[in-house]
Amino acid sequence: DVKVTQSSRYLVKRTGEKVFLECVQDMDHENMFWYRQDPGLGLRLIYFSYDVKMKEKGDIPEGYSVSREKKERFSLILESASTNQTSMYLCASSRGQSSLETQYFGPGTRLLVL
Amino acid sequence: RKEVEQDPGPFNVPEGATVAFNCTYSNSASQSFFWYRQDCRKEPKLLMSVYSSGNEDGRFTAQLNRASQYISLLIRDSKLSDSATYLCVVNPAFWGQGGKLIFGQGTELSVKP
Repeated sequence: DVKVTQSSRYLVKRTGEKVFLECVQDMDHENMFWYRQDPGLGLRLIYFSYDVKMKEKGDIPEGYSVSREKKERFSLILESASTNQTSMYLCASSRGQSSLETQYFGPGTRLLVL
Repeated sequence: RKEVEQDPGPFNVPEGATVAFNCTYSNSASQSFFWYRQDCRKEPKLLMSVYSSGNEDGRFTAQLNRASQYISLLIRDSKLSDSATYLCVVNPAFWGQGGKLIFGQGTELSVKP
């Protein structure tokens, strides 16, 4: 069974703080993703990675960066948190490049920026 | 135009009812299609893949119409536990692109006693 874990379920930070969200998957998946989900806007892709040290911008990368130093771990970094980054952050992973591959999600991190 | 469009609902139905959701996608070259389910304040989970010939899993039936570029999900004999948001998901690529998926905004279903 695939397991995707995220470092925190709930997080409260102040404007301007640097925020690290960690995601770990235990199934040797090639691809990892970071999304944010907001009411009325659905899931929006921030960044994804298809290999160690590789990263690609998603639809809304501004204000975020990522790091993938090990295959199992994908970190999302908010360099200087702002109130409009208050959201639910979801990490996902998928096995390979086939179009038949599905994504498995972590439980999410609810981030509140004050 | 959004790449994947769904009616956000909510669909309010009584227990035992049959309910159907549709979803349209804009990229005619899209290869694979899925329905995910997301419970309130939880992560999305795969409900079923959608095959060209249509497929069934218990009370759930998924169909694909490539000519009209829409996907449907039919739920028969609705249960209270079916209450959730149903996400229509499309993979636009045959191979590569890091396994990116395109998610619809979701259709909310509420099954009442």
